[in-house]
Amino acid sequence: DIQMTQSPSSLSASVGDRVTITCRASESIRNSLNWYQQQPGKAPKVLIYATSTLQSGVPSRFSGSGSGTDFTLTISSLQPEDLATYYCHQTYTLPWTFGQGTKVEIK
Amino acid sequence: EEQLVESGGNLVQPGGSLRLSCAATGFISSNYDITWVRQAPGKGLEWISFISSSGSTTYYADSVKGRFTISRDNANNSAYLQMNGLRADDTALYYCARRKPLGGTLALDCWGQGTMVAVSS
Repeated sequence: DIQMTQSPSSLSASVGDRVTITCRASESIRNSLNWYQQQPGKAPKVLIYATSTLQSGVPSRFSGSGSGTDFTLTISSLQPEDLATYYCHQTYTLPWTFGQGTKVEIK
Repeated sequence: EEQLVESGGNLVQPGGSLRLSCAATGFISSNYDITWVRQAPGKGLEWISFISSSGSTTYYADSVKGRFTISRDNANNSAYLQMNGLRADDTALYYCARRKPLGGTLALDCWGQGTMVAVSS
């Protein structure tokens, strides 16, 4: 199985800060990497698919990059509503696997 | 509005069975693959099963293989997860999600609100 490792596991940042979350795959997954946001008490929702494409309706402060084994989710200017846990997710091969999550808190 | 609604979660004893349902509204579910993802209390997401749009192909995570069975009824726009031999570590919020081709890959672009399964004596 492909292991997905996110870092950090949690972070605290101020409104307006730039936030970066990384995700590393145990082997190449090409660009088959998605990012999900799970706000407290809610179901996950897809933010970015295929490494860097923003899902419709997602604010442009979110962006994704990477390829192969190393990927990044960036929030260019953190907002209060970005309080959530973020998960990377590979769909390159079954079984699909998720990263362990990164909890983003607002200072 | 495109929605998925899960139901069937409950408190069950170890070794027991449950059948979860996933009803699609606002779209024709037979056009899409459906997956089940679970989340243990305070933990991350775990993909557990997938069924193709026609129902002809299924996959399972090792953690549920041989105990869980995924199925669908396209005439009723629904999918199901039959869970047998339940264990304490199956305790989780169970989500169904639509698998959609996006940008040359696949993503889960529509999720239900989840249904809770608790396994305890």
